[in-house]
Amino acid sequence: DAGVTQSPTHLIKTRGQQVTLRCSPKSGHDTVSWYQQALGQGPQFIFQYYEEEERQRGNFPDRFSGHQFPNYSSELNVNALLLGDSALYLCASSLSQDRSSYNEQFFGPGTRLTVL
Amino acid sequence: DQQVKQNSPSLSVQEGRISILNCDYTNSMFDYFLWYKKYPAEGPTFLISISSIKDKNEDGRFTVFLNKSAKHLSLHIVPSQPGDSAVYFCAASALGLNDMRFGAGTRLTVKP
Repeated sequence: DAGVTQSPTHLIKTRGQQVTLRCSPKSGHDTVSWYQQALGQGPQFIFQYYEEEERQRGNFPDRFSGHQFPNYSSELNVNALLLGDSALYLCASSLSQDRSSYNEQFFGPGTRLTVL
Repeated sequence: DQQVKQNSPSLSVQEGRISILNCDYTNSMFDYFLWYKKYPAEGPTFLISISSIKDKNEDGRFTVFLNKSAKHLSLHIVPSQPGDSAVYFCAASALGLNDMRFGAGTRLTVKP
């Protein structure tokens, strides 16, 4: 079991550019969440995808968008990059959560994005 | 709006002694709490969790205590080992919600 994988590992972009990050969930998982971890901070929830739809969104602008594919993999897109978007972007996968239980989220190693 | 706070950025303990990491939260809707451990160049790894219906949960050397009235939880590691050196994140969630709120983390160093 490969666990959660993310690509690329590192990425350098300039202000105004667009970036796409990719995530493959752990085998058997159908839900993917994306988090942004700025230096010295804890991960902040961006959004979650389930059944190819955005199920919940955190406090991030519309420049941040995502997609989930039929095989449950996911992409995070960020448009019009700002210097402040420099961070570690973490993907986490889990089984779909119903209202009567919690499902542990498994994290990938992250993509380090640097915006110059 | 920081709903989960870890006020100690770092903690250093001697091998074999107890490590106590603390976490406070403000949102009374939170009813499930987790601790994650993170090594450099790796994603956070789930360590232990506790539901609000309990006040203690143990897993080997790791014990999490929850004080709902104080909105405080702590992670105890006994005995501490050098391999425990990592950044520890406290996270909170609520039943039916899909996101977790994380603290800023505490860097634990266990000295041989």
